[in-house]
Amino acid sequence: DAGVIQSPRHEVTEMGQEVTLRCKPISGHDYLFWYRQTMMRGLELLIYFNNNVPIDDSGMPEDRFSAKMPNASFSTLKIQPSEPRDSAVYFCASSLRGQRDGYTFGSGTRLTVV
Amino acid sequence: DQQVKQNSPSLSVQEGRISILNCDYTNSMFDYFLWYKKYPAEGPTFLISISSIKDKNEDGRFTVFLNKSAKHLSLHIVPSQPGDSAVYFCAASALNNDMRFGAGTRLTVKP
Repeated sequence: DAGVIQSPRHEVTEMGQEVTLRCKPISGHDYLFWYRQTMMRGLELLIYFNNNVPIDDSGMPEDRFSAKMPNASFSTLKIQPSEPRDSAVYFCASSLRGQRDGYTFGSGTRLTVV
Repeated sequence: DQQVKQNSPSLSVQEGRISILNCDYTNSMFDYFLWYKKYPAEGPTFLISISSIKDKNEDGRFTVFLNKSAKHLSLHIVPSQPGDSAVYFCAASALNNDMRFGAGTRLTVKP
């Protein structure tokens, strides 16, 4: 099992540009989470999906952020337009329902908006 | 709205001594608590957990204590080793819902 795969590992973009982060969860996992890590707030939950359906997006900071999960093996987090304050490490995690110790995180995407 | 708080951003201890990392939470609906460990350039990895029906869970050098009345949990590492140097995140969840994390504590274990 390759684990949760995120791409790209690093992204540097100019303010105002669109950024798309990608995640492939572990096969068979029915929950997928997007987190953002910053120095001030640690790991913030942005949105999570269950069986490809968004369940709670209350953590999405602004309308500039959107996330989709078109199928069980792929999810995207898009920021349009990006701003310097969006610079952070974005993590994707997946788990099985009921497996409360079973969150598996990807290695993250470090986003820098200049 | 930080429902899980780690008020110490960093902690430094000597190898062989005890490391104590603290965490407070505000949501009384949380019934499951976890500690994750994170090395640079990697995602967090699960370390140890505790259900709200317990007040202690031990796994080798790692012990988690839960004080429900104080809404406080702590992670004890004994003895601390240089390889334990990492960022430790406290997390909590309620009835299989999403997990909320604290801001993390950077532990440095000096040889």
